Amino acid sequence: DSGVTQTPKHLITATGQRVTLRCSPRSGDLSVYWYQQSLDQGLQFLIQYYNGEERAKGNILERFSAQQFPDLHSELNLSSLELGDSALYFCASSVLGRPDEKLFFGSGTQLSVL
Amino acid sequence: EDKVVQSPLSLVVHEGDTVTLNCSYEVTNFRSLLWYKQEKKAPTFLFMLTSSGIEKKSGRLSSILDKKELFSILNITATQTGDSAVYLCAVNGGSQGNLIFGKGTKLSVKP
Repeated sequence: DSGVTQTPKHLITATGQRVTLRCSPRSGDLSVYWYQQSLDQGLQFLIQYYNGEERAKGNILERFSAQQFPDLHSELNLSSLELGDSALYFCASSVLGRPDEKLFFGSGTQLSVL
Repeated sequence: EDKVVQSPLSLVVHEGDTVTLNCSYEVTNFRSLLWYKQEKKAPTFLFMLTSSGIEKKSGRLSSILDKKELFSILNITATQTGDSAVYLCAVNGGSQGNLIFGKGTKLSVKP
């Protein structure tokens, strides 16, 4: 158990809908990362937060948004969902969000868009 | 464009075999290379490599980095069925200093 908690574990929804994925980092970690894993693309970096502020942005679609709250948990909001958004979404955390730190991953949220 | 390429994409071996997984990269602002093991869901950390030629070991697993030739290998000796997993290579670098992952090598160890 990495100590990173993600909910829900599974989510099934329809095209056009909006969903929210939640992540609680390891105790003491200030930085949260979101990754998307699909069969053909592998793990793709979406966005990183550090202590409530956005630190880095990757290949995140405009339909997606995220935030990190004062208690350090983070939410990833996906809207106007398309079939291609079906994927495993991972949250990871690290202490300071520095490049020399290893990341600890949660178990992911499996999103299925029908 | 920054990229991390792993080979082979999949591998089937028998218990007791030794395997070598490869990871090559072209990433600007290289900081470190990491190996993760992904069994069911969450990738779990194996190694972080920052310096060339220094082997990191953990039990039957070992890894080494060559920063001149831009690659790393992950060796697993005396494989066991519990080693069956997807092994992910990731490089910390790029314009934003985040982890860039390869697509992984799926290892299947048969009894």
